[in-house]
Amino acid sequence: AQTVTQSQPEMSVQEAETVTLSCTYDTSESNYYLFWYKQPPSRQMILVIRQEAYKQQNATENRFSVNFQKAAKSFSLKISDSQLGDTAMYFCALSYNFGNEKLTFGTGTRLTIIP
Amino acid sequence: EAEVAQSPRYKITEKSQAVAFWCDPISGHATLYWYRQILGQGPELLVQFQDESVVDDSQLPKDRFSAERLKGVDSTLKIQPAELGDSAMYLCASSLDQPPRQGFVTDTQYFGPGTRLTVL
Repeated sequence: AQTVTQSQPEMSVQEAETVTLSCTYDTSESNYYLFWYKQPPSRQMILVIRQEAYKQQNATENRFSVNFQKAAKSFSLKISDSQLGDTAMYFCALSYNFGNEKLTFGTGTRLTIIP
Repeated sequence: EAEVAQSPRYKITEKSQAVAFWCDPISGHATLYWYRQILGQGPELLVQFQDESVVDDSQLPKDRFSAERLKGVDSTLKIQPAELGDSAMYLCASSLDQPPRQGFVTDTQYFGPGTRLTVL
């Protein structure tokens, strides 16, 4: 069975600063996908960024980037130039490629951007 | 932009009553998921459909929960009877996954706004 752990229940940062959210996972599979999802207050969950485990290059999406350390089973999210609209719950999640696409989520990190 | 629709958005019920939630996935999405998100936790999969067939319902409490997707489009999740511990957010998601095959890339799951259930 796979597990995803987020050890930071809450974080806050000043607007325009950079923040890094941590995530570790455990799986016995060699092929899998990692995701960061954002859940703004009272709004639906949306995908922020995804990383294929077979790719060594870290994924980036505008101000969002990941630091994927496969050997350490670590998958952190860096948000640069943080904006007020980044305030949300952030969930790290894992899924497999072959025949089992369900997402296994961590417990989330509540991020608050301070004006 | 196409979205996953869910209704109702909020539901308050008394324990032992029956409740039902509805989900309409993005048009053309073959795979539909129901997740339960207890306050302070991440979502957990209850049931996964591929078209009208159940792919995974191993975490669905089958003594009180049922789910169907009769025509392979929209889906209904039912709880009967509801218990206090069922209070949670029920999320529906859909994706464009085709039947799994070697080398297939997992597609993105798109989530609906959820139904927040409170059982009194």
